[in-house]
Amino acid sequence: GQQVMQIPQYQHVQEGEDFTTYCNSSTTLSNIQWYKQRPGGHPVFLIQLVKSGEVKKQKRLTFQFGEAKKNSSLHITATQTTDVGTYFCAGITSGTYKYIFGTGTRLKVLA
Amino acid sequence: DADVTQTPRNRITKTGKRIMLECSQTKGHDRMYWYRQDPGLGLRLIYYSFDVKDINKGEISDGYSVSRQAQAKFSLSLESAIPNQTALYFCATSDSWTGGNTIYFGEGSWLTVV
Repeated sequence: GQQVMQIPQYQHVQEGEDFTTYCNSSTTLSNIQWYKQRPGGHPVFLIQLVKSGEVKKQKRLTFQFGEAKKNSSLHITATQTTDVGTYFCAGITSGTYKYIFGTGTRLKVLA
Repeated sequence: DADVTQTPRNRITKTGKRIMLECSQTKGHDRMYWYRQDPGLGLRLIYYSFDVKDINKGEISDGYSVSRQAQAKFSLSLESAIPNQTALYFCATSDSWTGGNTIYFGEGSWLTVV
């Protein structure tokens, strides 16, 4: 079945350093979404990417969708303590209408 | 008030007991989901329902059953709980726009099976 892997599983950074998490799917995706889960909270939608090679920015966050639509990345520039949490990608393949979530990357930011 | 409400939020139960987790939503969405979260394994789909008469198995449905009592209600049952079903469970909803649906999660239900 469809699998979505994320690396790294954990990342500790010093405040101000950059951070990137990578998402890889075993199948081609129709679109991909990113979610953030704060400690003790529930996942909250961040963004959706649909087009091959698409790049979107939200302030210090940059999201990319690969040309082959099988991978994606989230890059945070100059991390802040408010960035702490687990970041999930979620991919959907054509015709399935359900999202498969990645394994998540847990980010810790040290002040 | 939360748009997606789960009850109970925390439950400790014994092995072999039946437990039901309930979910209700006020978003008016057709689609509802149950996910399970375990450290290192991310969010795994247990069951999903695209309308009241539609129930589908997800990645890990064994040991679970669901009921879609109404558009707004979707419950998850563990008929005979076992310790490896200890996890954080999320109910979620989305609308039926085929272009891509934002998933809205409830606040989660912590289940411990002892």
